[in-house]
Amino acid sequence: DAGITQSPRYKITETGRQVTLMCHQTWSHSYMFWYRQDLGHGLRLIYYSAAADITDKGEVPDGYVVSRSKTENFPLTLESATRSQTSVYFCASISGGSTDTQYFGPGTRLTVL
Amino acid sequence: GDSVTQMEGPVTLSEEAFLTINCTYTATGYPSLFWYVQYPGEGLQLLLKATKADDKGSNKGFEATYRKETTSFHLEKGSVQVSDSAVYFCALILSGSARQLTFGSGTQLTVLP
Repeated sequence: DAGITQSPRYKITETGRQVTLMCHQTWSHSYMFWYRQDLGHGLRLIYYSAAADITDKGEVPDGYVVSRSKTENFPLTLESATRSQTSVYFCASISGGSTDTQYFGPGTRLTVL
Repeated sequence: GDSVTQMEGPVTLSEEAFLTINCTYTATGYPSLFWYVQYPGEGLQLLLKATKADDKGSNKGFEATYRKETTSFHLEKGSVQVSDSAVYFCALILSGSARQLTFGSGTQLTVLP
């Protein structure tokens, strides 16, 4: 099915562990994004990518790493998870124009103990 | 920097009541404005959008008008239903930007039968 998927949907990990959240889209959209959702903050941008091999920092990038070797995939890695990274993570994509609809994945709920 | 300020929630209404959720923005350029809705346990879905001043976005009985003079994009619905219970996010994208959305903090709406 066409769309944007995230895995895993739920993850529990411990402080200091490395965690990778996966995002896959089937539309070949140029732009992809990672947001985190926390109560009282809405969604905040972590990293984004304008195309394969092009990534840039968003509002809250510290503690996260991204890569984009293929257009359809945009994994987010927490190199050494901290409790403050407990959140719901959303991946999104947009085809190109700033007036276009940005499509969101179903989210990954991450708990860091 | 660019920002979106949304009416604080939560909002509780009876079925068939009139809904207004206020949204104002600050932007250095000419943004496109969006309302996204998040149903429980799901990702965000585009509800409506407006790309230039005086445009009215509408969908599923919801409306919002892009008011440049008041930098506002208030969401309205004449008669809410229980199924409208969700979190509503106002957001903007600047033209010429990297397409990232800037979100308000979200408003939780509960509609009681």
